[in-house]
Amino acid sequence: DIQMTQSPSSLSASVGDRVTITCRASQSISSNLNWYQQKPGKAPKLLIYAASSLQSGVPSRFSGSGSGTDFTLTISSLQLEDFATYYCQQTYSTPLTFGGGTKVEIK
Amino acid sequence: EVQLVESGGDLVKPGGSLRLSCAASGITVSNVWMTWVRQAPGEGLEWVGRIKTKIDGGTTDYAAPVRGRFTISREDSKNTLYLQMDSLKTEDTAVYYCTTEGFDYWGQGTLVTVSS
Repeated sequence: DIQMTQSPSSLSASVGDRVTITCRASQSISSNLNWYQQKPGKAPKLLIYAASSLQSGVPSRFSGSGSGTDFTLTISSLQLEDFATYYCQQTYSTPLTFGGGTKVEIK
Repeated sequence: EVQLVESGGDLVKPGGSLRLSCAASGITVSNVWMTWVRQAPGEGLEWVGRIKTKIDGGTTDYAAPVRGRFTISREDSKNTLYLQMDSLKTEDTAVYYCTTEGFDYWGQGTLVTVSS
Protein backbone atom coordinates (compact mmCIF):
# COMPACT_ATOMS: atom_id res chain seq x y z
CA ASP A 1 0.00 0.00 0.00
CA ILE A 2 1.11 3.59 -0.65
CA GLN A 3 1.56 5.57 2.55
CA MET A 4 0.72 9.27 2.54
CA THR A 5 2.43 11.46 5.12
CA GLN A 6 1.17 14.98 5.72
CA SER A 7 2.94 17.71 7.60
CA PRO A 8 2.41 19.48 9.81
CA SER A 9 -0.42 17.68 11.62
CA SER A 10 -1.63 21.05 12.84
CA LEU A 11 -0.77 24.70 12.49
CA SER A 12 -1.91 28.04 13.83
CA ALA A 13 -2.20 30.95 11.46
CA SER A 14 -3.80 34.36 11.15
CA VAL A 15 -6.18 35.73 8.56
CA GLY A 16 -4.14 36.88 5.60
CA ASP A 17 -1.27 34.47 6.20
CA ARG A 18 0.19 32.29 3.48
CA VAL A 19 -0.18 28.66 4.51
CA THR A 20 1.63 25.65 3.06
CA ILE A 21 0.82 22.00 3.75
CA THR A 22 2.95 19.20 2.42
CA CYS A 23 2.14 15.61 1.53
CA ARG A 24 4.68 12.91 0.77
CA ALA A 25 3.93 9.57 -0.87
CA SER A 26 5.89 6.43 -0.03
CA GLN A 27 6.40 5.81 -3.76
CA SER A 28 5.88 7.77 -6.95
CA ILE A 29 2.24 8.51 -7.73
CA SER A 30 2.88 10.78 -10.72
CA SER A 31 0.27 13.56 -10.39
CA ASN A 32 -2.48 11.35 -9.00
CA LEU A 33 -3.20 13.39 -5.90
CA ASN A 34 -6.28 15.12 -4.52
CA TRP A 35 -6.61 17.69 -1.74
CA TYR A 36 -9.72 18.05 0.42
CA GLN A 37 -11.04 20.47 3.02
CA GLN A 38 -13.22 19.19 5.83
CA LYS A 39 -15.10 21.17 8.44
CA PRO A 40 -16.51 19.59 11.63
CA GLY A 41 -19.59 17.47 11.01
CA LYS A 42 -19.38 17.92 7.25
CA ALA A 43 -18.31 15.76 4.34
CA PRO A 44 -14.93 16.47 2.75
CA LYS A 45 -14.86 18.96 -0.11
CA LEU A 46 -12.60 18.44 -3.11
CA LEU A 47 -10.27 21.41 -3.60
CA ILE A 48 -7.55 20.22 -5.97
CA TYR A 49 -7.37 17.19 -8.25
CA ALA A 50 -4.53 15.82 -10.34
CA ALA A 51 -2.12 17.59 -7.99
CA SER A 52 -2.62 21.08 -9.38
CA SER A 53 -6.06 21.42 -10.99
CA LEU A 54 -8.49 23.65 -9.13
CA GLN A 55 -11.92 22.12 -8.66
CA SER A 56 -14.77 24.20 -10.07
CA GLY A 57 -16.05 26.77 -7.60
CA VAL A 58 -12.98 26.66 -5.34
CA PRO A 59 -11.39 30.07 -4.68
CA SER A 60 -8.17 30.79 -6.56
CA ARG A 61 -6.27 31.40 -3.29
CA PHE A 62 -5.99 27.60 -3.13
CA SER A 63 -3.29 26.02 -5.27
CA GLY A 64 -1.55 22.68 -5.51
CA SER A 65 1.82 21.64 -6.86
CA GLY A 66 4.15 18.69 -7.06
CA SER A 67 4.53 15.36 -8.76
CA GLY A 68 6.16 12.04 -8.02
CA THR A 69 6.35 11.81 -4.24
CA ASP A 70 6.22 15.38 -2.95
CA PHE A 71 3.20 17.65 -3.06
CA THR A 72 2.11 20.98 -1.63
CA LEU A 73 -1.19 22.70 -0.94
CA THR A 74 -0.90 26.46 -0.60
CA ILE A 75 -3.46 28.94 0.63
CA SER A 76 -2.16 32.31 -0.52
CA SER A 77 -4.12 34.47 1.92
CA LEU A 78 -5.95 32.61 4.66
CA GLN A 79 -9.57 33.57 5.17
CA LEU A 80 -11.83 32.90 8.17
CA GLU A 81 -13.74 30.23 6.28
CA ASP A 82 -10.50 28.34 5.58
CA PHE A 83 -10.02 27.20 9.16
CA ALA A 84 -10.59 23.47 8.76
CA THR A 85 -8.78 20.17 8.37
CA TYR A 86 -7.07 19.38 5.07
CA TYR A 87 -6.35 15.93 3.66
CA CYS A 88 -4.36 14.67 0.71
CA GLN A 89 -5.25 11.42 -1.06
CA GLN A 90 -3.42 9.41 -3.68
CA THR A 91 -5.55 8.13 -6.55
CA TYR A 92 -2.73 6.18 -8.22
CA SER A 93 -3.50 2.69 -6.94
CA THR A 94 -5.86 0.94 -4.57
CA PRO A 95 -6.24 1.26 -1.67
CA LEU A 96 -6.64 4.98 -2.37
CA THR A 97 -4.98 6.12 0.82
CA PHE A 98 -5.38 9.45 2.59
CA GLY A 99 -2.87 11.45 4.54
CA GLY A 100 -3.44 11.88 8.26
CA GLY A 101 -4.76 15.42 7.94
CA THR A 102 -3.61 18.93 8.82
CA LYS A 103 -5.75 20.99 11.15
CA VAL A 104 -5.52 24.72 10.44
CA GLU A 105 -6.44 26.72 13.52
CA ILE A 106 -6.79 30.39 14.30
CA LYS A 107 -3.76 31.99 15.93
CA GLU B 1 -27.75 19.04 -9.28
CA VAL B 2 -26.06 15.91 -7.99
CA GLN B 3 -27.20 14.65 -4.60
CA LEU B 4 -26.08 11.58 -2.67
CA VAL B 5 -28.06 10.61 0.42
CA GLU B 6 -26.78 7.85 2.70
CA SER B 7 -29.00 5.94 5.10
CA GLY B 8 -28.99 2.80 7.17
CA GLY B 9 -26.53 3.71 9.90
CA ASP B 10 -27.36 2.27 13.31
CA LEU B 11 -26.07 0.80 16.55
CA VAL B 12 -25.17 -2.87 16.04
CA LYS B 13 -23.46 -5.49 18.18
CA PRO B 14 -20.07 -6.93 17.27
CA GLY B 15 -20.51 -9.78 14.81
CA GLY B 16 -23.69 -8.26 13.45
CA SER B 17 -24.61 -7.04 9.97
CA LEU B 18 -25.85 -3.81 8.47
CA ARG B 19 -26.60 -2.53 4.98
CA LEU B 20 -26.00 1.08 4.09
CA SER B 21 -27.68 2.76 1.13
CA CYS B 22 -26.64 5.72 -0.97
CA ALA B 23 -29.50 7.10 -3.06
CA ALA B 24 -28.34 9.21 -5.97
CA SER B 25 -30.02 11.93 -7.99
CA GLY B 26 -28.56 13.99 -10.78
CA ILE B 27 -26.25 11.14 -11.76
CA THR B 28 -26.75 7.54 -12.84
CA VAL B 29 -24.81 5.28 -10.47
CA SER B 30 -24.43 2.61 -13.12
CA ASN B 31 -22.47 5.06 -15.28
CA VAL B 32 -19.86 6.15 -12.73
CA TRP B 33 -17.41 4.43 -10.44
CA MET B 34 -18.71 4.83 -6.88
CA THR B 35 -16.72 4.72 -3.66
CA TRP B 36 -17.29 4.38 0.08
CA VAL B 37 -15.09 6.29 2.52
CA ARG B 38 -15.34 6.15 6.31
CA GLN B 39 -14.18 8.27 9.22
CA ALA B 40 -13.91 6.95 12.76
CA PRO B 41 -14.80 9.44 15.51
CA GLY B 42 -12.08 12.06 15.81
CA GLU B 43 -9.94 10.33 13.19
CA GLY B 44 -8.98 10.82 9.56
CA LEU B 45 -10.49 9.55 6.33
CA GLU B 46 -10.21 5.92 5.26
CA TRP B 47 -10.99 4.56 1.80
CA VAL B 48 -13.27 1.52 2.15
CA GLY B 49 -13.81 0.36 -1.41
CA ARG B 50 -15.25 1.07 -4.83
CA ILE B 51 -17.33 -0.42 -7.62
CA LYS B 52 -16.57 0.13 -11.28
CA THR B 53 -19.10 0.58 -14.07
CA LYS B 54 -20.28 -2.46 -16.01
CA ILE B 55 -18.39 -1.16 -19.03
CA ASP B 56 -15.23 -1.28 -16.95
CA GLY B 57 -16.03 -4.76 -15.72
CA GLY B 58 -18.29 -3.96 -12.78
CA THR B 59 -15.64 -5.21 -10.38
CA THR B 60 -15.07 -4.14 -6.80
CA ASP B 61 -11.96 -3.32 -4.79
CA TYR B 62 -11.73 -3.20 -1.01
CA ALA B 63 -9.38 -2.01 1.68
CA ALA B 64 -7.68 -4.82 3.55
CA PRO B 65 -9.47 -4.23 6.90
CA VAL B 66 -12.89 -4.84 5.31
CA ARG B 67 -12.09 -7.30 2.52
CA GLY B 68 -14.17 -10.46 2.88
CA ARG B 69 -16.61 -8.78 5.28
CA PHE B 70 -17.98 -5.85 3.26
CA THR B 71 -19.65 -5.97 -0.15
CA ILE B 72 -20.38 -3.04 -2.46
CA SER B 73 -23.22 -3.35 -4.95
CA ARG B 74 -25.63 -1.28 -7.02
CA GLU B 75 -29.32 -1.46 -7.81
CA ASP B 76 -29.69 0.32 -11.13
CA SER B 77 -33.49 0.46 -11.04
CA LYS B 78 -33.31 2.44 -7.78
CA ASN B 79 -30.18 4.39 -8.75
CA THR B 80 -28.76 3.34 -5.39
CA LEU B 81 -25.38 2.16 -4.14
CA TYR B 82 -25.12 -0.24 -1.22
CA LEU B 83 -22.54 -1.29 1.34
CA GLN B 84 -23.32 -4.63 2.97
CA MET B 85 -21.33 -4.95 6.17
CA ASP B 86 -21.04 -8.34 7.86
CA SER B 87 -19.06 -9.63 10.83
CA LEU B 88 -18.86 -6.09 12.15
CA LYS B 89 -16.13 -5.16 14.60
CA THR B 90 -15.89 -2.30 17.08
CA GLU B 91 -13.20 -0.76 14.87
CA ASP B 92 -15.78 -0.39 12.08
CA THR B 93 -17.47 2.37 14.09
CA ALA B 94 -17.41 5.41 11.82
CA VAL B 95 -19.33 7.82 9.67
CA TYR B 96 -19.65 6.25 6.23
CA TYR B 97 -19.72 8.44 3.12
CA CYS B 98 -20.49 7.53 -0.47
CA THR B 99 -18.78 9.52 -3.18
CA THR B 100 -18.49 9.63 -6.95
CA GLU B 101 -15.46 8.50 -8.95
CA GLY B 102 -13.87 11.93 -9.03
CA PHE B 103 -14.58 12.45 -5.33
CA ASP B 104 -16.32 15.66 -6.35
CA TYR B 105 -19.70 14.74 -4.90
CA TRP B 106 -20.20 13.35 -1.39
CA GLY B 107 -23.19 12.39 0.69
CA GLN B 108 -23.75 13.75 4.18
CA GLY B 109 -22.63 10.53 5.81
CA THR B 110 -24.35 7.96 8.02
CA LEU B 111 -23.09 6.84 11.44
CA VAL B 112 -22.44 3.19 12.18
CA THR B 113 -21.73 2.31 15.80
CA VAL B 114 -20.55 -1.19 16.66
CA SER B 115 -20.77 -1.80 20.36
CA SER B 116 -22.03 -4.37 22.81
